[in-house]
Amino acid sequence: DIQMTQSPSSLSASVGDRVTITCRASQDINNFLVWYQQKPGKAPKVLIYAASTLQSGVPSRFSGSGSGTDFTLTISSLQPEDVANYYCQKYDTEPRTFGPGTKVEIK
Amino acid sequence: EVQLVESGGAVVQPGGSLRLSCIGSGFTFDDYTMHWVRQSPGKGLEWVSLISWDGTGTSYADSVKGRFTISRDNTKNSLHLHMNNLRIEDSALYFCGKETYGAGKIEDWGQGTMVIVSS
Repeated sequence: DIQMTQSPSSLSASVGDRVTITCRASQDINNFLVWYQQKPGKAPKVLIYAASTLQSGVPSRFSGSGSGTDFTLTISSLQPEDVANYYCQKYDTEPRTFGPGTKVEIK
Repeated sequence: EVQLVESGGAVVQPGGSLRLSCIGSGFTFDDYTMHWVRQSPGKGLEWVSLISWDGTGTSYADSVKGRFTISRDNTKNSLHLHMNNLRIEDSALYFCGKETYGAGKIEDWGQGTMVIVSS
């Protein structure tokens, strides 16, 4: 099975900072990748799908890039409401593995 | 408005069984692939299982294969997860989710139902 990794596992940044989270697949998954945001006590929310397509209603400060094995989620200007856990998930084939997550905090 | 409501979570002993349910409304239930995803307290998301729109295709995470069975009843807009031989590590909040057709993303989620496996 394809394994998913994320880095860093956590980060602390200031409001307005550019934040980058990396997701790596152990094999080529083309662009079949989703990014989710999950706030405490809530269900996950789709931010990006097909690696780089912004979900409707998601602020444009979020963007995704990558293809194959290496993917990036970028928050161009971190806002207080972006404090959350972020997960990538592959959907090229089953199992639909999630990455281990990245916790984003405000410095 | 799409709604997914899970139920059936409980405290159960190791080796026990449980059936989770998820009722969907606000959409044409039998058009969509459905998922179960779980999250242990303080941990990350773990994909558990999916079932195709008509129930003919299923898939499972290795961690639950042979112990869990996913099913659906499209006449009742319901999704189920039959869990057997439960282990302590199966303790988690179980979410059901609706996959957007052709896009792979789980766009709609329930609020989750809690399973605690403990002696």
